[in-house]
Amino acid sequence: KNEVEQSPQNLTAQEGEFITINCSYSVGISALHWLQQHPGGGIVSLFMLSSGKKKHGRLIATINIQEKHSSLHITASHPRDSAVYICAVSGGAGNQFYFGTGTSLTVIP
Amino acid sequence: DAGITQSPRHKVTETGTPVTLRCHQTENHRYMYWYRQDPGHGLRLIHYSYGVKDTDKGEVSDGYSVSRSKTEDFLLTLESATSSQTSVYFCAISDSGGPGTQYFGPGTRLLVL
Repeated sequence: KNEVEQSPQNLTAQEGEFITINCSYSVGISALHWLQQHPGGGIVSLFMLSSGKKKHGRLIATINIQEKHSSLHITASHPRDSAVYICAVSGGAGNQFYFGTGTSLTVIP
Repeated sequence: DAGITQSPRHKVTETGTPVTLRCHQTENHRYMYWYRQDPGHGLRLIHYSYGVKDTDKGEVSDGYSVSRSKTEDFLLTLESATSSQTSVYFCAISDSGGPGTQYFGPGTRLLVL
């Protein structure tokens, strides 16, 4: 069983819609990370969270440590947001990451 | 963008052949990681390094070895490639052994026939 579970696995939205991607984890963590992987493969870090909420442009990430749950929200979605969004948790020796399997988002114009 | 390159970017090889993938960084980060990405599994850690000549195993290390003789280079070797090692391999770097961001290379697509 994966220690990091994401939902949904796939998501299709109309341009302008509000999008939520969820991540649950079962282990103790130092931090939770949201990453974005575009077609073509490059992986970019969006957020690192250890508590509360962070916002960058139209992206908002929240974490509830007690419930071991995080959400990534995209407001006013745009086709350029189409990508795979990956949740990861870090902790233990060497800042090791443990990854969810990703959520594939397609935003239709 | 963090200065991380991987070579080769694409490789096709035959079962039983040794293969070495190279990760090169210009950021002087202490920590380097090798991951593989497969459908349905997400990214999984193969090996990581916490300094020159200091390495440790990850979740899926069987069949792989690594070496780090310089801060900037981290090599991943498949001693005798198998079809199950067909995957996309990513290198990542971090300047922190505690909570910190990892920066990823562009990936290497490896096909073992």
